Amino acid sequence: EVQLLESGGGWVQPGGSLRLSCAASGFIFSGHAMSWVRQAPGKGLEWVSRISNGGATTHYADSVKGRFSVSRDNAENTLYLQLNSLRDEDTAMYYCATSLGDMGYDLWGQGTLVTVSS
Amino acid sequence: DIEMTQSPTSLSASLGDRVTINCRASRGLRNYVAWYQQKPGKVPKLLIYAATSLRSGVPSRFSGSGSGTEFTLTINTLQPEDLATYYCQTYDSSAPWTFGQGTTVEIK
Repeated sequence: EVQLLESGGGWVQPGGSLRLSCAASGFIFSGHAMSWVRQAPGKGLEWVSRISNGGATTHYADSVKGRFSVSRDNAENTLYLQLNSLRDEDTAMYYCATSLGDMGYDLWGQGTLVTVSS
Repeated sequence: DIEMTQSPTSLSASLGDRVTINCRASRGLRNYVAWYQQKPGKVPKLLIYAATSLRSGVPSRFSGSGSGTEFTLTINTLQPEDLATYYCQTYDSSAPWTFGQGTTVEIK
């Protein structure tokens, strides 16, 4: 089955760190760029980051640049997002997503919730 | 970075109505525009890609149109299950793949 499964979310204090993972299965992971998208409670979708299929090229939203870091392990079919210097406004559901068919995000995970609060 | 501005923010329509949602890009795109549907508590679902192409399995009452900076999602004959928030997105460059702010469709 083609799927993405996120993990690693939880509660963290402001200034803290967290590492999210996204396990991919059912498709050739190394053949596709991967992305993170987040959604704060009651808010819209926000694109966060993207990494090329080989991992050499990364992009970030201005809101997370310098604090978040995306990486991938193609041998383990896993995508990561390292979240540092977390702020209250980083509280959100974090989804990993990809474009299998060059059509936008046609595959999404179920999301992992990150709560930043003191 | 490209900005995507959706309108309206929300709308209320009756079953069977035709609904249109607009999305304006801050600069011209190569039609790499997608539309998503997100039902309450659910993961977003891709409906339309390349501005006008209907994803396989999506009901034909959904359609996309537009080019350049103006894009539209149309729902013909609104159904109860279409209650959702709809988002446009550009995937016209390596990054960022910006989303519009969303349009919430309510049933009268």
